[in-house]
Amino acid sequence: EVQLLESGGGSAQPGGSLRLSCAASGFSFSIYAMSWVRQAPGKGLEWVSVISPSGDNTKYADSVKGRFTISRDNSKNTLYLLMNSLRADDTAVYYCAKQSGSEYNFSAFDKWGQGTMVTVSS
Amino acid sequence: SYVLTQPPSLSVAPGETARINCGGNNIGVKSVHWHQQKSGQAPVVVISYDSDRPSGIPERFSGSNSGNEATLTISRVEAGDEADYYCQVWDSGSDHWVFGGGTKLTVL
Repeated sequence: EVQLLESGGGSAQPGGSLRLSCAASGFSFSIYAMSWVRQAPGKGLEWVSVISPSGDNTKYADSVKGRFTISRDNSKNTLYLLMNSLRADDTAVYYCAKQSGSEYNFSAFDKWGQGTMVTVSS
Repeated sequence: SYVLTQPPSLSVAPGETARINCGGNNIGVKSVHWHQQKSGQAPVVVISYDSDRPSGIPERFSGSNSGNEATLTISRVEAGDEADYYCQVWDSGSDHWVFGGGTKLTVL
């Protein structure tokens, strides 16, 4: 069974940092593109970042570019999101999502994690 | 950047058909994916690549895409279909995944 388990969420002050993790199991992690998507309280889904299977290709939403870094460790079946210079509007539930293929710019999302909450407040 | 436009809400009676639209400039040339999110839960994909239904998704869910509009159709709507529905595409112009604003489906 495909499982995605996010962790690392919590509270941070503006300007602070957090690192989210997404532990994957039940599939060959190293051959699939992966994404992060967030959802602010009461709002819709917002794509954050995507990474290719090898990690060589990454893309970011304009709202996080230069502050967030997506990465993966295929030996540990884990996806990461390093979030720096956090702002109040980064407050959201962060979901990791598995894509159905290796093409980060085409493959459909076929599995979502349960999400981890990030709260940025002074 | 590419914009996907969805109606904020839609109400249908049980047993009726719900059609949720997703508008975008020439969206018919893109692959559209649809996600269902029930209250307090993570999203679940219900339609991929315009009209493919993942295993476990009822046949009542179908999708189409042409011109400037994609549509998610839910036939014989049930109370359990009440959820927020989001369309999604890849925008090659910006190299971004894009979600629509979501449609809240209420079953009367």
